[in-house]
Formats: sequence, structure tokens, C-alpha cells
Amino acid sequence: QLQLQQSGPGLVKPSETLSLTCTVSGGSINSSSYYWGWLRQPPGKGLEWIGSIYYGGSTYYNPSLKNRVTISVDTSMNQFSLKLSSATAADTAVYYCASTINTVLVNDYWGQGTLVTVSS
Amino acid sequence: DIQMTQSPSSLSASVGDRVTITCRASQSISNYLNWYQQKPGKAPKLLIYAASNLQSGVPSRFSGIGSGTDFTLTISSLQPEDFATYYCQQSYSTPRITFGPGTKVDIK
Repeated sequence: QLQLQQSGPGLVKPSETLSLTCTVSGGSINSSSYYWGWLRQPPGKGLEWIGSIYYGGSTYYNPSLKNRVTISVDTSMNQFSLKLSSATAADTAVYYCASTINTVLVNDYWGQGTLVTVSS
Repeated sequence: DIQMTQSPSSLSASVGDRVTITCRASQSISNYLNWYQQKPGKAPKLLIYAASNLQSGVPSRFSGIGSGTDFTLTISSLQPEDFATYYCQQSYSTPRITFGPGTKVDIK
């Protein structure tokens, strides 16, 4: 059973880069069975997919964020990371990392969530 | 992008009520439709996958049906722990998933 543990700052200044990391335990991040992704949820609102990375390093991003998002993997640390540049108040949200199993195509494991506030 | 809609956006119900939530996709997604439950301050929890399959450990009062563009989640007898927000999710275009806007179920 996978466990996903998120880390990163809860406060980011406007125009700076939001950075979060998700450490995977209970399985290998280098597995072809999973996509590894980031989602977010602004306060009181719904869920938005940010992007995902797959075995071999293929990345997929939400077109609305594509120019500002980078997702990468560190196989030596069994973790994947999110960077969102030029942050604004509109990026204030709870950010989740999650796995997508590529058989039944569901987000079966989630991180605990990190509230990131963009404010000076 | 595949757009998802849900109705109603919120509902009030009593313990023991039968509750039905509808989800519609902007194009056919076959049965690539999942349902999640989210409680305040928590990550979403998978309830139903592939439109009608109950996730392990989820009570049998939850059920799902649908195919193509129209889907339904039913709670046969609402329990106190079921008051939450419910989201549908299309995984047809995985990894480019999209969610419905959510349906909040609260106590009447």
C-alpha cells in the first residue's frame, strides 16, 4: 500500500515560485503502474488537476497552467516535485499529490494536502 | 477538454433518506467515471470506479450507474457519516482528468 507524504512551504510571496515535494513509500516511483500527479483546491472550491508525470519522465500539464508548471521526479529519493512559477493570489489553494493507477484509472492514494497561501 | 457538470450543487437530506446525485460529461467517456467523497480538511476518498464498481471497504449503500455521458451516484440510506461533498471525475482522458464542481450533502 502506497503512502504519499507532502512537504514544502505554506507561504509564498507573489511572483515567486511555489515548490512542493511528494515522497512515496510502499512502492517504487519508477513503476510503470502509476502516474504521479498534482491537484489543487482553492478555498471553498472544487478540484483542479495541475499535471502528472509518468514512468520514463513523460509529463502532462493542464493547459491553463502549462507555461508556469514543472513536474519532475527524483528516483533516488523516490519523490516527485511541483514547481509553479510567477505565483499570484489566485494560486492560493490546498495542493495535493496523488497517484493514478493505470489499470482502473483512479486516484487511489493521496497526500495529506498542503495549504499554500500566496501573499506578501 | 472534457467538461463535467453535476446536479444538484447542494442538497439537504435526513438520515435514512435515499440520495441521488447526477453527473454529466461534455462528450462520451464510456464508463471512465469515478466518484469521490470529501470531508472538510481531508483528501478525497474513492467510492466508485468505472461508473459502477464499489471500491474495497466502501459501504454497499453507495452505488453508481451510467455510461456514455450520464451517470448517477445513489446513497440508498443516508448515514450521519455520509454528510460530505461528492465529486465525479472523468478518467477517459487520463492523465488529463477533470472533476465535476461537487455536490454538498448536508443535514436537513
